[in-house]
Amino acid sequence: NAGVMQNPRHLVRRRGQEARLRCSPVKGHSHVYWYRQLPEEGLKFMVYLQKENIIDESGMPKERFSAEFPKEGPSILRIQQVVRGDSAAYFCASSLQGFETQYFGPGTRLLVL
Amino acid sequence: ELKVEQNPLFLSMQEGKNYTIYCNYSTTSDRLYWYRQDPGKSLESLFVLLSNGAVKQEGRLMASLDTKARLSTLHITAAVHDLSATYFCAVDMSEGGSNYKLTFGKGTLLTVNP
Repeated sequence: NAGVMQNPRHLVRRRGQEARLRCSPVKGHSHVYWYRQLPEEGLKFMVYLQKENIIDESGMPKERFSAEFPKEGPSILRIQQVVRGDSAAYFCASSLQGFETQYFGPGTRLLVL
Repeated sequence: ELKVEQNPLFLSMQEGKNYTIYCNYSTTSDRLYWYRQDPGKSLESLFVLLSNGAVKQEGRLMASLDTKARLSTLHITAAVHDLSATYFCAVDMSEGGSNYKLTFGKGTLLTVNP
């Protein structure tokens, strides 16, 4: 009964590199959400995806960030040309339906040097 | 912008004592969640409160919701060490009843001492 899986758990990148964060939802869940937790802050909504569709990306920075949830495989949060301010914990959650309780993964801690 | 404020942010208490964590939010919402997070682990859903006056209890934890006051409380009764964790409240800020866009408080780090 695997929960939401995220990898890597820790990721170190230098400024200007790309970061790819992966999220495998609970088996059978087709709704995925990404949140970001900056130091000393609560989690903040970034994007909501269903299979092959972005439903709401109102919390995503306009540049350098993108997300996808392909028909096959995990959801990917991609950050291009990372900057130090991108250092944070990135959490993925999934739900069976869009209005149901979200189940969270353990997060990926991104550190940008 | 929806704001969710928890207090206290840090709580150190002795086993056997009672305490309450407060969660205030700034705009109308009828759905509030409490989550628990252990260090390095995922967030675990504790309670979903769906209406004004809702009260839910699980073991030593009891959560309530007052939508008119925009306030939720998480009450801890006779604390034990296993309750040590960070507790988050989260408010749904989706439009049109979609109920997916959560805004979280900063969390309350609870430490229960023997």
